[in-house]
Amino acid sequence: QSALTQPASVSGSPGQSITISCTGTSSDVGGYNYVSWYQQHPGKAPKLMIYEVSNRPSGVSNRFSGSKSGNTASLTISGLQAEDEADYYCSSYTRSSTPYVFGTGTKVTVL
Amino acid sequence: EVQLVESGGGLVKPGGSLRLSCAASGFTFSSYSMNWVRQAPGRGLEWVSSISSSSNYIYYADSVKGRFTISRDNAKNSLYLQMNGLRAEDTAVYYCARPPSSGSYYVDYWGQGTLVTVSS
Repeated sequence: QSALTQPASVSGSPGQSITISCTGTSSDVGGYNYVSWYQQHPGKAPKLMIYEVSNRPSGVSNRFSGSKSGNTASLTISGLQAEDEADYYCSSYTRSSTPYVFGTGTKVTVL
Repeated sequence: EVQLVESGGGLVKPGGSLRLSCAASGFTFSSYSMNWVRQAPGRGLEWVSSISSSSNYIYYADSVKGRFTISRDNAKNSLYLQMNGLRAEDTAVYYCARPPSSGSYYVDYWGQGTLVTVSS
């Protein structure tokens, strides 16, 4: 099972909006509404930001939103803040011998 | 409060073995499937293995199949990962991770991780 494809890096200025893409196939991202997104700061465990494509867990800022079109899911961060600088990973259920697959990861830089 | 505490990491030679443990608290452990996820230094997340609440269903990533064994002891609220035939590419921080419910394909709680280093 190959990793989902994400851009290596995305940057933006404070207050701007950025979007991170996550491209898979019809066997994972495109086939199921089981895409999730995680934020990871250096040296820390990942934190769930979005689940099942577009749902936000309690406590996560509404500046984070998720969507999906075909085989590509997206995470949008609006009103970018310095604290949003981190690595972001998507994940999806996959119809294969292994139930989970992660994305390659995207480093978000706040300029 | 949900807590997942991993232990058992360390330095091991190639070909060696190590057993990781994850002590769970703050929830009914026996009702949840559990996962191991790893992250090599400077690299991305990689799902390693999953086990259902009653150990009926077990899955492994192709990269560890035949070498790693996941297990759990619901009476002790503990999750394990027996790692044999370790290779340099198994060097990583290993996280214990819990989905919110059966049928959920994401993780809402993570441990702090334990570092496994495979080197001669």
